[in-house]
Amino acid sequence: AQSVTQPDIHITVSEGASLELRCNYSYGATPYLFWYVQSPGQGLQLLLKYFSGDTLVQGIKGFEAEFKRSQSSFNLRKPSVHWSDAAEYFCAVEPSGTYKYIFGTGTRLKVLA
Amino acid sequence: DGGITQSPKYLFRKEGQNVTLSCEQNLNHDAMYWYRQDPGQGLRLIYYSQIVNDFQKGDIAEGYSVSREKKESFPLTVTSAQKNPTAFYLCASSIYRTGSNQPQHFGDGTRLSIL
Repeated sequence: AQSVTQPDIHITVSEGASLELRCNYSYGATPYLFWYVQSPGQGLQLLLKYFSGDTLVQGIKGFEAEFKRSQSSFNLRKPSVHWSDAAEYFCAVEPSGTYKYIFGTGTRLKVLA
Repeated sequence: DGGITQSPKYLFRKEGQNVTLSCEQNLNHDAMYWYRQDPGQGLRLIYYSQIVNDFQKGDIAEGYSVSREKKESFPLTVTSAQKNPTAFYLCASSIYRTGSNQPQHFGDGTRLSIL
């Protein structure tokens, strides 16, 4: 079955430190890939997306993600975390052409001052 | 500004009662979706609709119903058959066109609780 795994439920980093959130998917072909961020009690905001082409994609708020086909991964990175980045982050996969997402269970980020 | 409006933000249901969650979008999107979010479980798809007057069950449709009479609107009814309705409900929309490669946009959610 198709699935998305975010192995880290919680991550804590200090402000100014680098960040990497992991996402692995299980799907035969290359799906469409997304990262969303959710603040408490709010909806989801798109950070970035990958459909094809360059495997390193840039998003909003200084985030980037790298698609690695060999590892079925789409990890999210930020070189220097700000306190306002504290939120929950979701990786989502859309098997090509289905228009339906499969979400990971999310990673909650805490930022220490 | 274009966007997705969900109302109400908070909703309380009594035992045996049906409640309806509203979702309206002015993005001129074809497809609309309803998700349920529970702590530690991510988002799970309840129903989705790709065109007016048509909709399909998602992964957890039991105890829910929807309608899509207008392109802009996709209300979700949580029926009394849904035994554990307490959750955060999110509505989303997207362009539905081959090769469009457009992501889903989300509303701010409705939190449903049982009295």
